[in-house]
Order: sequence, then C-alpha cells, then structure tokens
Amino acid sequence: AQKVTQAQTEISVVEKEDVTLDCVYETRDTTYYLFWYKQPPSGELVFLIRRNSFDEQNEISGRYSWNFQKSTSSFNFTITASQVVDSAVYFCALSEVTDSSYKLIFGSGTRLLVRP
Amino acid sequence: EPEVTQTPSHQVTQMGQEVILRCVPISNHLYFYWYRQILGQKVEFLVSFYNNEISEKSEIFDDQFSVERPDGSNFTLKIRSTKLEDSAMYFCASNPGREDGYTFGSGTRLTVV
Repeated sequence: AQKVTQAQTEISVVEKEDVTLDCVYETRDTTYYLFWYKQPPSGELVFLIRRNSFDEQNEISGRYSWNFQKSTSSFNFTITASQVVDSAVYFCALSEVTDSSYKLIFGSGTRLLVRP
Repeated sequence: EPEVTQTPSHQVTQMGQEVILRCVPISNHLYFYWYRQILGQKVEFLVSFYNNEISEKSEIFDDQFSVERPDGSNFTLKIRSTKLEDSAMYFCASNPGREDGYTFGSGTRLTVV
C-alpha cells in the first residue's frame, strides 16, 4: 500500500535560517509521482512541485530546492533563507496511477513557523 | 491562468440536512476529484470522476455521498444527511489527463452544527 510519512509535525525557525522538511514514501509501483503543496493560513493548496519516479535530478526554484532519493524513498524539501511568508503547512504527496484514476495520497503535513 | 472555482467558500448547515458543494473545473480537463481535509489533519481522497462516472472512491465515500456533472461544466458533491463529523474543508480538483498535474480549487469549508 502507498504511504507518505512526514515525521516532523512542526518546525520553528528564525527568519533567514535554512530549513529542510522531510518526506518518506512507500510504494510498490515503479511509476509514480511525488508532490509538495503549501497550505497557508488562508487554507488553499498551493502547488510547489511534481516529480516523476524516473527523474532523480534535484531541482532548485529560487529559495526552494528538492532532493529526491529513490534509494531511501525520500523527497525532501529545503527552504533557504526562510522568510515569515513561508509560514504554512507543507504537504508531501504521492500519486498512485491506476487504470481508473490518479489519486493523491498525502502525508500528515509539517507546520512551519518562521519567526521574525 | 485557468482556475478551478469552488462555491461557496464557507457553508454552515444543520445536522441531517442535505448539502451540495459546487465546483467548476478547468474547461478542457477530463478528470475530476473531491478531497476532504478535517481541520488540522491531512488531505484525504474521496472520489475521482471520469467520462461521466465514478472511476474510484475511497472508504470515506459511503452512500451518503454522491457526485454529479449535471451540465458539462459544474461538478458537484452532495452529502445527503450531514453529520457533525462531515465538518471539513472540501477541495475539488481536476486534470487534463490521467498523469497530468492537478489543479485544486480554493476549497469549501463546511461546518455542520
């Protein structure tokens, strides 16, 4: 069965610190996708990244970077030089692609608090 | 940029009442989904819909839930007789193809009193 574990329930950092959010997943599929979403206090889900299982290259987008390691089934997310606006709940998700659908399985989320 | 639109943003209903949550997916998308997030918890899959029928549903999606695409643009989630534990944020989502990226709506917060 597919599963996503975000062991860090809550992280608190001071502005400008770097922070890494951990995500470990379980799947028997060879083809899958991994995602990160941000949920600010307003409640919407903001898409950050999608990565397929065949692309293990790390990705950087501004202050955000992602480290995908199939060997450890991890897809970690790092925010460099954190800002107060980064305060939110961050969800990692795994897609299960079946003949009938493409549902997302979410982790329990990590609440990030960036203090000024 | 195209959006998935959900209405209303917040709905309060009495226990036992029927409620319909509405979504307008992106026009060229073919797959539609409902997810639920109980306050403070993770986002959970409810149901996927393709070609005018349910393609998959979770254990949460029991007989009190139904979905419909009544007119080719709206996608609705109906809860027949609401319970207190149905209070949650409900997200609609769509994607153009089975393996394409998702677009989520901004959610409807349902409060059952």
